[in-house]
Amino acid sequence: AQRVTQPEKLLSVFKGAPVELKCNYSYSGSPELFWYVQYSRQRLQLLLRHISRESIKGFTADLNKGETSFHLKKPFAQEEDSAMYYCALSGLTGNQFYFGTGTSLTVIP
Amino acid sequence: DAGVTQSPTHLIKTRGQQVTLRCSPKSGHDTVSWYQQALGQGPQFIFQYYEEEERQRGNFPDRFSGHQFPNYSSELNVNALLLGDSALYLCASSLARDIYQPQHFGDGTRLSIL
Repeated sequence: AQRVTQPEKLLSVFKGAPVELKCNYSYSGSPELFWYVQYSRQRLQLLLRHISRESIKGFTADLNKGETSFHLKKPFAQEEDSAMYYCALSGLTGNQFYFGTGTSLTVIP
Repeated sequence: DAGVTQSPTHLIKTRGQQVTLRCSPKSGHDTVSWYQQALGQGPQFIFQYYEEEERQRGNFPDRFSGHQFPNYSSELNVNALLLGDSALYLCASSLARDIYQPQHFGDGTRLSIL
């Protein structure tokens, strides 16, 4: 069964501290992994995707196929990073997405 | 570009009733997916429409049905509403030729069942 697990529902870090949001997945195939973010009163939006190898707003995510993980990291958290973060995966055809339950990140000033 | 638009924003129904939710995709997109998001949960995939056909379906009963129109807009219909159908319903659009099809979401319709 395809599944995305985000073990932390809530995460608080101080401004300037490193942050890591965990994501583990199971999938019988070669999935694409995504991180979506939802800021307060905004719609869910794509933050980054593995295939692009991008760094968005200072965030990066490394796909570890051995550990089936796709953790999201940022070296120095900012207050504006406070939001709900969802890890998601899709198969090659992109016709079905699986989302985790989300991690609410709070950056303390 | 208005992005994905959904209507209505809020809806209140009673058990047993039927509801129709509407979605217009982002300009240039040809694929529409629907999700149910219960409180405290991530979005759960309901189904996806492409070329006016249901292309993939998640683990939802037949009470959930949909339609896609030639202009790519879509409707989600839910029959015989149950209390457990109370949730935020999200529509997302994508472009079929984009590998892995990253989803672009609307603001959602908040459905409350009394």
